[in-house]
Amino acid sequence: SQTIHQWPATLVQPVGSPLSLECTVEGTSNPNLYWYRQAAGRGLQLLFYSVGIGQISSEVPQNLSASRPQDRQFILSSKKLLLSDSGFYLCAWSDYGGRGYTFGSGTRLTVV
Amino acid sequence: KNEVEQSPQNLTAQEGEFITINCSYSVGISALHWLQQHPGGGIVSLFMLSSGKKKHGRLIATINIQEKHSSLHITASHPRDSAVYICAAVSEPDRSEKLVFGKGTKLTVNP
Repeated sequence: SQTIHQWPATLVQPVGSPLSLECTVEGTSNPNLYWYRQAAGRGLQLLFYSVGIGQISSEVPQNLSASRPQDRQFILSSKKLLLSDSGFYLCAWSDYGGRGYTFGSGTRLTVV
Repeated sequence: KNEVEQSPQNLTAQEGEFITINCSYSVGISALHWLQQHPGGGIVSLFMLSSGKKKHGRLIATINIQEKHSSLHITASHPRDSAVYICAAVSEPDRSEKLVFGKGTKLTVNP
């Protein structure tokens, strides 16, 4: 069966510090991978998606970047966090035209 | 105007009541998802629809492609159904299958 692992679950980081959130998928190959963010009191917003290794598309210009070094690994990074980067970050995967979406358990990031 | 609109924004019901949450979209879609988000933040995909109707336990989801409208129904609601329900559309044609989200409906079911 397909599973998705996202870590850490919670993170408190000072402004200006770097960030690395990791997401891995098991039980599938060549998935579409996504990073979404939910700011406090707001809806979900797509940040990045990837349809293959090394292929990253950005939806919103910002302080963050994403990488896909392996087929089933998706990483969200920042060199210097801003207060506005606080939020709930969700990784997700889909198999194109197939069984729908699966979301990770999320990372709650607080930038102080 | 958001491409995916949900109503109502908030909904309070008594245990046992029949619940309906509505979703309208203005874009062409290949599929529509209903998601459930619990207070801790975790999201679960309830249904993926491209036509017709799906049922899982007390949950029923319908979609009318011509009218660009979908509904999520909960029969015999229970306090454990309290959550935020989110409608999300997959635009077509789009290999990425990225989702466009509604703003969510916060459901509270009182005992």
